[in-house]
Amino acid sequence: QSALTQPPSASGSPGQSVTMSCTGSSGDVGTYNYVSWYQQHPGKAPKLLIYEVYNRPSGVPDRFSGSKSGNTASLTVSGLQAEDEADYYCSSYVGSSNFDNRIVVFGGGTKLTVL
Amino acid sequence: EVQLVESGGDLVQPGGSLRLSCAASGLTFRNHWMHWVRQAPGKGLEWVSRISSDGRSITYADSVKGRFTISRDNAKNTVYQQMSSLRPEDTAIYYCAGDLVLGSGSCGYWGQGTLVTVSS
Repeated sequence: QSALTQPPSASGSPGQSVTMSCTGSSGDVGTYNYVSWYQQHPGKAPKLLIYEVYNRPSGVPDRFSGSKSGNTASLTVSGLQAEDEADYYCSSYVGSSNFDNRIVVFGGGTKLTVL
Repeated sequence: EVQLVESGGDLVQPGGSLRLSCAASGLTFRNHWMHWVRQAPGKGLEWVSRISSDGRSITYADSVKGRFTISRDNAKNTVYQQMSSLRPEDTAIYYCAGDLVLGSGSCGYWGQGTLVTVSS
């Protein structure tokens, strides 16, 4: 159950775009379109930003977008705002052709700094 | 408004046991797969366990398999996690979370978390 790989940090200036990566393997990100992205501010519970690779839950601004290529998923934040400064985590289903046996793994998280 | 409220976190000695509860409201609980996710102090998120909407399908992270048991009572809109043989490395905030889309692994609903501290 290896964690997905995320860069520890990313940064950008207000108004700019930043893309964060999430690298897995053919056993998780590369096979399943069940990649999710979460935003977590200090002391708060995580918030779902993206599910099933590129879908946004109701209420999430379209400045947040998701994509996937091969074993790597990406989250892009466009038009950076000060409140986007937070930790970002990706997750994916892992393993088994039997849906009932699949587990979830998270990435180690990326700390986004708005300069 | 969807609310998930965890309870049961406490200070417990190594080797001890604890039962966490998570009461849900504002959603059709029996239609959602539920997860427990934990976060050690200053660390990232770690998925712990998952139970299907009818309780028949359950999976665990290797780190807790054989020690933790997830269950649910759809009549009470509550999910539980029984934790035994606790270790210092189990110290974390424990969040319960519900799937936004059935079976997608996308935790769209989160509680505020409950702190479990394992220490002598």
